[in-house]
Amino acid sequence: KNQVEQSPQSLIILEGKNCTLQCNYTVSPFSNLRWYKQDTGRGPVSLTIMTFSENTKSNGRYTATLDADTKQSSLHITASQLSDSASYICVVSANGGSYIPTFGRGTSLIVHP
Amino acid sequence: EPEVTQTPSHQVTQMGQEVILRCVPISNHLYFYWYRQILGQKVEFLVSFYNNEISEKSEIFDDQFSVERPDGSNFTLKIRSTKLEDSAMYFCASSADMNTEAFFGQGTRLTVV
Repeated sequence: KNQVEQSPQSLIILEGKNCTLQCNYTVSPFSNLRWYKQDTGRGPVSLTIMTFSENTKSNGRYTATLDADTKQSSLHITASQLSDSASYICVVSANGGSYIPTFGRGTSLIVHP
Repeated sequence: EPEVTQTPSHQVTQMGQEVILRCVPISNHLYFYWYRQILGQKVEFLVSFYNNEISEKSEIFDDQFSVERPDGSNFTLKIRSTKLEDSAMYFCASSADMNTEAFFGQGTRLTVV
């Protein structure tokens, strides 16, 4: 069964600090992995999309990494801001047969001043 | 900046009633999606739509659900006979291609009483 596990479940950091969120998946065959940011009560917003051949992708202060061999991804946030407080969701899609994406439960990040 | 718009933002309906949730995807996008998120839980894929037909659907998307693109701009989700457990936030999304960024709407909060 395709699964996406995220850790930690929640994280509290001080403004200006860096943090790293983890995503492990069992989706196979792999097509792509996406990281989304979801503010409370709002729709998810795409941060990065990574395919099998990509190891790193950056979007401003967000940097995602992908290790397709170990089926792990991380999202690193640099110099956190109060507006980074949100849920960060990892989504993995399969390739061939079914393209239904598998969502992780998300990591709830709270940035304190 | 183009965006996906959803109406209404909040809908309250009685159990057993039919509801139609409406979405206007980004105009040049070809792939359309519906997701739902029950309060406090992860986002779940419902259905994807391409070339005027369903391309993928999850186990959640049973005979009570249907989608339609009636006029080339709107994309609707119909729930024929709502149940209490249909209460959730429903998100519409669209993308230019299957492997490109999906843009989400702000969601419709459906409350079944």
